[in-house]
Formats: sequence, C-alpha cells, structure tokens
Amino acid sequence: QSALTQTPSASGSPGQSVTISCTGSSSDVGGYDFVSWYQQHPGKAPKLIIYEVLKRPSGVPDRFSGSKSGNAASLTVSGLQPEDEADYYCNSWAGSFWMFGGGTKLTVL
Amino acid sequence: QVQLQESGPGLVKPSETLSLSCTVSGASISSGTYYWAWIRQPAGKGLEWIGRIYASGITDYNPSLKSRVSISLDMSKNQFSLKLTSVTAADTAVYYCARPRGSSNFDPVYYWGQGTLVTVSS
Repeated sequence: QSALTQTPSASGSPGQSVTISCTGSSSDVGGYDFVSWYQQHPGKAPKLIIYEVLKRPSGVPDRFSGSKSGNAASLTVSGLQPEDEADYYCNSWAGSFWMFGGGTKLTVL
Repeated sequence: QVQLQESGPGLVKPSETLSLSCTVSGASISSGTYYWAWIRQPAGKGLEWIGRIYASGITDYNPSLKSRVSISLDMSKNQFSLKLTSVTAADTAVYYCARPRGSSNFDPVYYWGQGTLVTVSS
C-alpha cells in the first residue's frame, strides 16, 4: 500500500491563504469521509487539526479548513501566520487501517 | 488528560526483534472501546501507521508490516506493546504510541507519546 500523495512543499506570505492537497484512491480518501490532517513542528509529535474531512477539534483556529472531492482531500490555511510553518500530513481510513500522506512542508515567507 | 510514554531499547541489531512499550496514564487501557496505536516516522520522512489494538485484544495492522508486527496489551501495567521482527535499517525511525480522543473505530489518533528513536544497526 503506497502512501497518499501530497505535494512536498507549499508556501505563502503572512495573511495569505494556502491549500495543501492529498490524493488517494477510491479505497481510501474517495471511499470514506474519514480524512484527517495533522500539523507537526520540528521535534514534536503531530497535532490533529482536522478530522472527518472538515471538523476541527476544540482549540484549533478556524483558519484551518478541510474539504474533499472524489479521491482528493484538501487543507486550506487562511490568514497565514508564522507559527503555521510546519509539516502537514493527511490521513485516511483505508478499509482496515489508517494511511498517511507523505507530508507537505509549509513555509511562511 | 491521557498521557502516553514510549520506552524500550534505542538500538536494535539487524534481523533481531524490536520491542517497545507504551505506558498509559490518565486512562485505563482495559476500559471503554478505545484503540491503542503505534505509528512510526523515519528521520526526515513521513508518518507510517503500524497498527492498533482494542481492549478486547482485537488488532488491525498495516498490510505492509503485518507479517512482522504484533501488538499486545498488559492490563496489569496499563501498558501496550509493539514487537517488530526481522528488522532492517529501513525500520530505523521514531516510534510513537497514540490513542484517539473518541471511541469510534474511525476516530483518528489525538493523544500522542513524545516518541522514541529506535536505530537498527550492528
């Protein structure tokens, strides 16, 4: 089973919006509304920021939003802030286990 | 607040078995319908789901690792453990234990341990 496909890098200036994509198949992203996104700062454990495609855990700013269309999911970060610079991983239920994307490094210019 | 802490050898020889434990505080691994999971991350690379176990003992494993992985519970110590056999350098990674916030099969992991680095080398 290959990882979900994410573009390796993305960037934006403070205040801008950036969208990170995650492409899978009908066996994972396209087959279930159980797509999550994690934010990971260097040397830290990942932090859940989106679950079930578009839901945010309490405490996660509404600048983070998720969506899905077909076999692809997206994470949009609006009003970029310096602290948003991190690695972002998508995560999807794949029928019998959870599958992660390869990660996207978001740089705030 | 659920807290998890990984422990185990930081160095394992090729072809041997990697064994890690995760000590849980703030929750009982024997209660509820939560699952308890292992996830790993090679240096500079992405996350990889290894597998999970429920209090009932039911397990789900990543198909790519299934033939080498075993996850078990130790209720008396409120711990769960990971064993990975026949390791190679490709198994060198930071290993995390984790648990979701909710008790659904489809809740993603929310609570994470700090991670422990395991290096496979002779």
